[in-house]
Amino acid sequence: AQSVTQPDIHITVSEGASLELRCNYSYGATPYLFWYVQSPGQGLQLLLKYFSGDTLVQGIKGFEAEFKRSQSSFNLRKPSVHWSDAAEYFCAVGANNDMRFGAGTRLTVKP
Amino acid sequence: NAGVTQTPKFQVLKTGQSMTLQCAQDMNHEYMSWYRQDPGMGLRLIHYSVGAGITDQGEVPNGYNVSRSTTEDFPLRLLSAAPSQTSVYFCASSLRRRNTEAFFGQGTRLTVV
Repeated sequence: AQSVTQPDIHITVSEGASLELRCNYSYGATPYLFWYVQSPGQGLQLLLKYFSGDTLVQGIKGFEAEFKRSQSSFNLRKPSVHWSDAAEYFCAVGANNDMRFGAGTRLTVKP
Repeated sequence: NAGVTQTPKFQVLKTGQSMTLQCAQDMNHEYMSWYRQDPGMGLRLIHYSVGAGITDQGEVPNGYNVSRSTTEDFPLRLLSAAPSQTSVYFCASSLRRRNTEAFFGQGTRLTVV
């Protein structure tokens, strides 16, 4: 079965700084790739997804992610972080009619 | 547009009690799933359903039952609650396959004492 690794448990960035959250997956072929965001006490909301085609995908709230097949990675980026981006972020991999989630990265935004 | 609705939002149970977590979706999605979320472990799949009348086990099914009598509803039953089942539970639905975009409910925070 596919697996997902988010190497960073917790990241702190200053408001206005750039952000990159890492995601690596293990799967033989190209899976479907997702990033979700979870605000405190809320469910998960889809930020963006990659199925095929252009490897740079744009999502909501100014986020983007780049699929790199050679590195089995799907890192999430944002050029300028806002205080409201503080949340937990989950990378997910869909394959074989299954969906696996990473352990999550908690983002703290400093004023 | 309600999406995926879970009830209750919070619940405290005593060890050995049983209860049902409710989940309903109004998007006519075929696929529905139950996950539990524990710190540092992400979301783990408990049970899922590919359509009315069809259910199957996920990664961590022990201690839980499900049924899918209608497209809209997918309740999760805890048969005899244990402290290890203290967690946040999420219901999700997908239009086609489970490996496509999932829509999540708000979650149920369950504490077993």
